[in-house]
Amino acid sequence: AQSVTQLDSQVPVFEEAPVELRCNYSSSVSVYLFWYVQYPNQGLQLLLKYLSGSTLVESINGFEAEFNKSQTSFHLRKPSVHISDTAEYFCAVTRNKAAGNKLTFGGGTRVLVKP
Amino acid sequence: DTGVSQNPRHKITKRGQNVTFRCDPISEHNRLYWYRQTLGQGPEFLTYFQNEAQLEKSRLLSDRFSAERPKGSFSTLEIQRTEQGDSAMYLCASSLSSGGGNFQFFGPGTRLTVL
Repeated sequence: AQSVTQLDSQVPVFEEAPVELRCNYSSSVSVYLFWYVQYPNQGLQLLLKYLSGSTLVESINGFEAEFNKSQTSFHLRKPSVHISDTAEYFCAVTRNKAAGNKLTFGGGTRVLVKP
Repeated sequence: DTGVSQNPRHKITKRGQNVTFRCDPISEHNRLYWYRQTLGQGPEFLTYFQNEAQLEKSRLLSDRFSAERPKGSFSTLEIQRTEQGDSAMYLCASSLSSGGGNFQFFGPGTRLTVL
């Protein structure tokens, strides 16, 4: 079985400051990794994913995440946040060879961007 | 935009009543998932279908819960004899079974409140 730990439940940050959201996972098999974002009163949206290849993945709105196999981490970063980045962010994993590919989520990190 | 839709968006019911939720996936997606998200937690997997076949059920899915996907398109999730502990957001997601990563697209959720 897999598990995901998001070490920070809330991260307050000032606008234009950098932010890092930490995600660690445990799994006995290879995994795919995802970050989802949930804006207030909206559903989960895929932000970015790591399947294979380059360990640094980027989203279209300036977020990036780096897969570190030795540390079993997939931390999310953004060098300069905007007010509109206020949301809850979920890290998730799924086994990459499993039928079904159900997602296991972390507890979420709520980001509050202050002006 | 033909994303995943869920109805109703909100449901308030009294303890002991039965409730049914509906999910309409993205039309070409053959996999459909149900998750439950309680306040302050990440989503937890409940069950998934590939076409009309229910292939996996979580231990979270007690006997009071039943899900169907009769024609391999929309799905329903029924909770019988609701309890206050059933209060949560019920999320539906869909995906294709082929391709790496099998990333799932989520609906807006149905928020259930059991009084």
